[in-house]
Amino acid sequence: DQQVKQNSPSLSVQEGRISILNCDYTNSMFDYFLWYKKYPAEGPTFLISISSIKDKNEDGRFTVFLNKSAKHLSLHIVPSQPGDSAVYFCAARETSYDKVIFGPGTSLSVIP
Amino acid sequence: DAGVTQSPTHLIKTRGQQVTLRCSPISGHKSVSWYQQVLGQGPQFIFQYYEKEERGRGNFPDRFSARQFPNYSSELNVNALLLGDSALYLCASTLGGPIGGYTFGSGTRLTVV
Repeated sequence: DQQVKQNSPSLSVQEGRISILNCDYTNSMFDYFLWYKKYPAEGPTFLISISSIKDKNEDGRFTVFLNKSAKHLSLHIVPSQPGDSAVYFCAARETSYDKVIFGPGTSLSVIP
Repeated sequence: DAGVTQSPTHLIKTRGQQVTLRCSPISGHKSVSWYQQVLGQGPQFIFQYYEKEERGRGNFPDRFSARQFPNYSSELNVNALLLGDSALYLCASTLGGPIGGYTFGSGTRLTVV
């Protein structure tokens, strides 16, 4: 039973435009949400996170929005750059176990 | 500062064999987690260790085991290998606490033939 879902396996965006990656979750016990980026042959790299008590967190070109009532979060990348092309994983942390559960990922392609 | 280091980077084993994967966390990180990533899927949680104690276990069979040493490095052991165990095995370390951001190693690519 998948607790973290990313329903779009892939996304293509023109350079300079906004990329929006979506994520849904089912477990109300998650207290922290994270986004990771992964290039081939490398481990995932932490990108940005948000606490469950907030609804927005911004870091440069990256903004994460959290809608707790809908159990939905999204990652906005503005403006998108070709170097952003990677697989993006949404992840959620369950405090009681301090473990992070990952979604299946969305492959983002930013077209020059 | 060295990041999370994993060894070996690649490994080929035969069905039924046993394998040991190794991980050295970032200096000062006391928590190590292991994940399995099959092609096309997200990393699946296997184990978490903190201060040498198991803090969490994912839905993996007893063929999978792990331990953490006094220097916080860790080993993941898999016995009686199956073809389906072929995957990228990722190790991640963290300080723990509310920060939540794991630092991952580049992984060990295990191929079972």
